[in-house]
Amino acid sequence: QKEVEQNSGPLSVPEGAIASLNCTYSDRGSQSFFWYRQYSGKSPELIMSIYSNGDKEDGRFTAQLNKASQYVSLLIRDSQPSDSATYLCAVKTNAGKSTFGDGTTLTVKP
Amino acid sequence: SQTIHQWPATLVQPVGSPLSLECTVEGTSNPNLYWYRQAAGRGLQLLFYSVGIGQISSEVPQNLSASRPQDRQFILSSKKLLLSDSGFYLCAWTRDGTSTDTQYFGPGTRLTVL
Repeated sequence: QKEVEQNSGPLSVPEGAIASLNCTYSDRGSQSFFWYRQYSGKSPELIMSIYSNGDKEDGRFTAQLNKASQYVSLLIRDSQPSDSATYLCAVKTNAGKSTFGDGTTLTVKP
Repeated sequence: SQTIHQWPATLVQPVGSPLSLECTVEGTSNPNLYWYRQAAGRGLQLLFYSVGIGQISSEVPQNLSASRPQDRQFILSSKKLLLSDSGFYLCAWTRDGTSTDTQYFGPGTRLTVL
């Protein structure tokens, strides 16, 4: 079992729809959770971080964390073609080590 | 503000040749530094991390090595490249490496070994 698993995708949604990206992790000692966006050929850029159970909203993005279920998700509302990218989930333990999922590729069709 | 640089941006090298990739961070002191490799269509594999000058931890034993000769400089090297070394190499930094500390990535180096 991988330490961090993401939907393999690709995920395709129409413009204006909600895109839902999911991530599960195996280490119950994980403390911090991050979502990065990576455009093709570019380096990852941080979208959101979440540390406590519940929802965290930032503009069109909402991160959801459920530590009991070892599950973290990212919702993108009103998806735009510019949101088309690979989204990486990263999980960090108390020791500060980050583990990344393989990413989910999102395509938003105009 | 902090900035992280990597060079070169792109590199094509023959099998068996040496490698040197450089990463520097501006605007902060004593950062934690990381080298990752990303194979095509995959996530990030942590190769090395450093909490200070001369302090290197290796995550995956292989033909690569890392050095940190200065506080904000991190170098990835190899004496003899393998085909399997091809990939996208990313340098990242954090302030203190705590669990809530965010990693910021450099622009990356795309390495192709032929």
